[in-house]
Parts: sequence; C-alpha cells; structure tokens
Amino acid sequence: QSALTQPPSVSGSPGQSVTISCTGSSSDVGSYNRVSWYQQPPGTAPKLMIYEVNNRPSGVPDRFSGSKSGNTASLTISGLQAEDEADYYCSSYTSSSTWVFGGGTKLTVL
Amino acid sequence: EVQLVQSGAEVKKPGESLKISCKGSGYSFTNYWIGWVRQMPGKGLEWMGIIYPGDSDTRYSPSFQGQVTISADKSISTAYLQWSSLKASDTAMYYCVRHSCGSTGCYVAYWGQGTLVIVSS
Repeated sequence: QSALTQPPSVSGSPGQSVTISCTGSSSDVGSYNRVSWYQQPPGTAPKLMIYEVNNRPSGVPDRFSGSKSGNTASLTISGLQAEDEADYYCSSYTSSSTWVFGGGTKLTVL
Repeated sequence: EVQLVQSGAEVKKPGESLKISCKGSGYSFTNYWIGWVRQMPGKGLEWMGIIYPGDSDTRYSPSFQGQVTISADKSISTAYLQWSSLKASDTAMYYCVRHSCGSTGCYVAYWGQGTLVIVSS
C-alpha cells in the first residue's frame, strides 16, 4: 500500500488559516470515515488532533478542524499560533484491514 | 490515564536479534489493538502492524510482513516488536501505539515515548 499524499510544506502568518490536504484512493480515504490527523513537534512523539474525519479529542483547540471529500481529506488550522509549528500527518484505515500514514507536512508559522 | 511505556534505546550490530517492549496501563489491555509505528531519521511515520491481546489476532503492513514479529503477553500488559536479524536500515525510532474505536472504526489514539534503535557495525 502506498503512503497517502500530503504537501511537503505549508506556511502561514499568525492569525491566518492554513489547510493541509491528504489524498488517498478508493481503497482507503475514499471508502472509510476513518481519517485521523497527528501533530508532531520536533523531537517529540506524535499527538492525535482529529479522528474519524472531523472529531477532536478533548483538549484539542477548536481551531483545528477536519473534513473529507472523495479521496481527499483536509486539516484546517485557523487563527494560527506560533505553537502550531510542527509536522502534521494524516492516517486512514484501508481495505486491507491495515492503516496507512501520509508522508507528512511541515507547517511553518511565519 | 492511558500510558504506554516503552523500553530504552538499543545499539546493536547487523545480524543481531532484538525485542523491544511496550507496557500499557490505565486501561483494559486485552480489549484494545496495540501496535508499532516506525520513523526513520528525518522521515515520516510508517504503520507497521498491530495485535489484539485478547485473542492475539495480528495484522501487518505488507511492507513489514515477514520482517518483524509483533506479540503480546496479556499477563503483564506488554506488547513486543521483534527482529531476528537486524539490518542497518532498521535504524529508526519505533513508537508503540494504542488504537481506540469510535462509531465508524478504529484509529491510532495513544503513543508511547518511542524507542530509538541504532544498528551499526
């Protein structure tokens, strides 16, 4: 199975919004509402930010939101803050009963 | 509070065997999928496989099938990742992960602190 496709990098200024895309196929993103997103600041373990496309775990700010259309899922971060600077990864369940991650996107807050 | 505590860093030589561990606490160990994610230096996350400790049902990513073995000892709430013959390309950070299940299915919800494995002659 191939990794999901994410842009290598995105950037935005404090207060702005950014959107990170995650493109898969009909064997994963397109067939299941089991897309999740993770934040990984440098040197730390990843943290769950969004699950089941658009649900936030408790403690995750509502500035983070998720959506999906067809084979592409998206993570939107509004009201960017310096602390949001990190790598972001999407993940999806697959038709092989396994999971797959995206290649990761580095978010830079200008 | 769910906690996944992994074993410490390892430095091994090519061809050696290795088994790293992950102890789960704060939840019913037998009722949740637990598995492993690889992150090679400077690279992204790769889902390796998972095990359901309740019945030992195990699933592997095609990329890792036959390359590693995932197991669990439910008597001590511990999952393992094992290699029989390490290669330099196995050098990476390995994260233990626990899945949670919602209305539409399961997802990686919790992460251990990571175990760094260095394979070098």
